[in-house]
Order: sequence, then C-alpha cells, then structure tokens
Amino acid sequence: GNSVTQMEGPVTLSEEAFLTINCTYTATGYPSLFWYVQYPGEGLQLLLKATKADDKGSNKGFEATYRKETTSFHLEKGSVQVSDSAVYFCALSGSGGSNYKLTFGKGTLLTVNP
Amino acid sequence: GAGVSQSPRYKVAKRGQDVALRCDPISGHVSLFWYQQALGQGPEFLTYFQNEAQLDKSGLPSDRFFAERPEGSVSTLKIQRTQQEDSAVYLCASSPRTGDDTQYFGPGTRLTVL
Repeated sequence: GNSVTQMEGPVTLSEEAFLTINCTYTATGYPSLFWYVQYPGEGLQLLLKATKADDKGSNKGFEATYRKETTSFHLEKGSVQVSDSAVYFCALSGSGGSNYKLTFGKGTLLTVNP
Repeated sequence: GAGVSQSPRYKVAKRGQDVALRCDPISGHVSLFWYQQALGQGPEFLTYFQNEAQLDKSGLPSDRFFAERPEGSVSTLKIQRTQQEDSAVYLCASSPRTGDDTQYFGPGTRLTVL
C-alpha cells in the first residue's frame, strides 16, 4: 500500500536559516503530493501541492519538487521566520479510483527561534 | 468565506459512553472525509462521502464507529461504547468536487476517553 516517510523532528532553527524537511514515498500509480502545515491550535492547512513528476509546488516562500526517480518531495525554504513554527505533514493521494484518500507522514515539528 | 467547522472542539468521555462528533463542511462542497489523528502521528483516513453517499468506509477501525451525512451537508461521526484507544483528534475535511484531491480541513475534535 501507499506510505510516506518524513524526517523526524523536532527541527530547531534560527530565524533566516535554510530549511529542508525530507519526504519520501511509496505508491502505486501516479499520486499527487502535498505538504500540509498545522499551526498551534489550528487545523491542517494546505501549503503546496504537485500533481505530476517534475512539478514544483510553491507557496509563502516554501517549495517542493515532485521527484519520481527518487520518490521524494522534500520541502525547502530559503529563510525561515518565527511565524513558520508549526508541524509539517507530507502526504500523497491515492491513485485511480482512490485518489481522494490521503496518506500522511508522521509530521515534523519545526521551531524557529528569533 | 467560512471554513470547515467541527464541534465540540474537545470531548471527554468515560469508557463505554457513546459520543457524536459533528462536522460542517464548506458550503457546496461535494466530498467529505473523516480522519483520525493519534498523538504524535499523521492523520489516518476513516471514511469518505460524496454528497449523502458513503462511498468508502474502509478506514473505520471497528463496527463501533459509524458516520452519516443524511442530507449531503453536515456529517456526524458516532463512536459507540468508547474505549481508551479511541482517544485521538478526529479531523473532518471537505473538497469542492469529485476527483479534486485538494482537501480543506477543520480544526478537529480532541476526544479523550477515560
């Protein structure tokens, strides 16, 4: 079945540091890939997505590229801010008739210090 | 506009009690999903509705779990005879169209079973 493995946290960075959170996946077919973010006390919010190989999703300075050859979708940001402190989840959709079913990684807690 | 809302936000139940968790999706959204998120884990799929039809309930962990969406809008997740292992955050998500794999999440209901 489908699975997502993401970098274990917690990750602690200073403001303006470079961020990478690794995500690899196992899936059949051609899933879409997602990063969701969960700020303290809030629900999951879609951060970015990519629907096919070599697509780059981007939003709020975050980027991730769908790499089919390495089955990866690593999240990057060039300069983090304190407000980026949150839990980040990598996810993929099912394929074919089950494309609605999201499979999530365990999440990575990011803390950014001033 | 209004996002997905869930109530109650927190629920404490004694083991053996029945609970009902409510989800109000974004108005007009066709698809509705329930996920279970255990502490320190990513969300796990429970069930999927397209309008009022429950098309997939493969993730429901036991026959004590029951979900409905009788008029294709509000949904209720019911857990009968709660057990301690049911303690988790229950997330609801909705999506505007069938086949649209972008899901919008509510804040969740944190269920604690004593």
